[in-house]
Amino acid sequence: EAGVAQSPRYKIIEKRQSVAFWCNPISGHATLYWYQQILGQGPKLLIQFQNNGVVDDSQLPKDRFSAERLKGVDSTLKIQPAKLEDSAVYLCASSLQGADTQYFGPGTRLTVL
Amino acid sequence: GIQVEQSPPDLILQEGANSTLRCNFSDSVNNLQWFHQNPWGQLINLFYIPSGTKQNGRLSATTVATERYSLLYISSSQTTDSGVYFCAVGFGGYNKLIFGAGTRLAVHP
Repeated sequence: EAGVAQSPRYKIIEKRQSVAFWCNPISGHATLYWYQQILGQGPKLLIQFQNNGVVDDSQLPKDRFSAERLKGVDSTLKIQPAKLEDSAVYLCASSLQGADTQYFGPGTRLTVL
Repeated sequence: GIQVEQSPPDLILQEGANSTLRCNFSDSVNNLQWFHQNPWGQLINLFYIPSGTKQNGRLSATTVATERYSLLYISSSQTTDSGVYFCAVGFGGYNKLIFGAGTRLAVHP
């Protein structure tokens, strides 16, 4: 069974530029999550999808971050414009349903200069 | 909101030693999960353990939900056990996960 796929693995941008990350969850998983992990901290949930609907985006900075999950499968997270404090690893995870074990992708390491 | 505290924050072991990692949480939760983040950043789920005890090889975990804590035991540690161990608690209707700050483990040969 293939795991959670993410791309790109690394990205370096200048502040005020835009960037997008892609995630493909494990086949059949209804719930998809995006987390932000700042160096030295635990992951923080940004947004949670159940199929293609958002069920939690309370910690998503909506003035600059957006995410979509078209057709309830893969997902894109966008930052526009980026700030220095957005430098972090962005992790995607999926689970069969919300209450189940979460499986994480390898992450995208973003550096904002 | 729910607070998740892990201890110790850092741990250094010689290969072959045993260790216990602790996770305390401040409120009732739906479930608790333990993860290992390897030095390359990959998060691996170790246990899904809302209550009781589970074992997987040299690792075991116990959650006492009524007293709001969980323990992760590592026996006969190996250098490949190095990394960061996170506990995460799920709460609410959609089981939002809140992670602790982690325990950083270094196992030396």
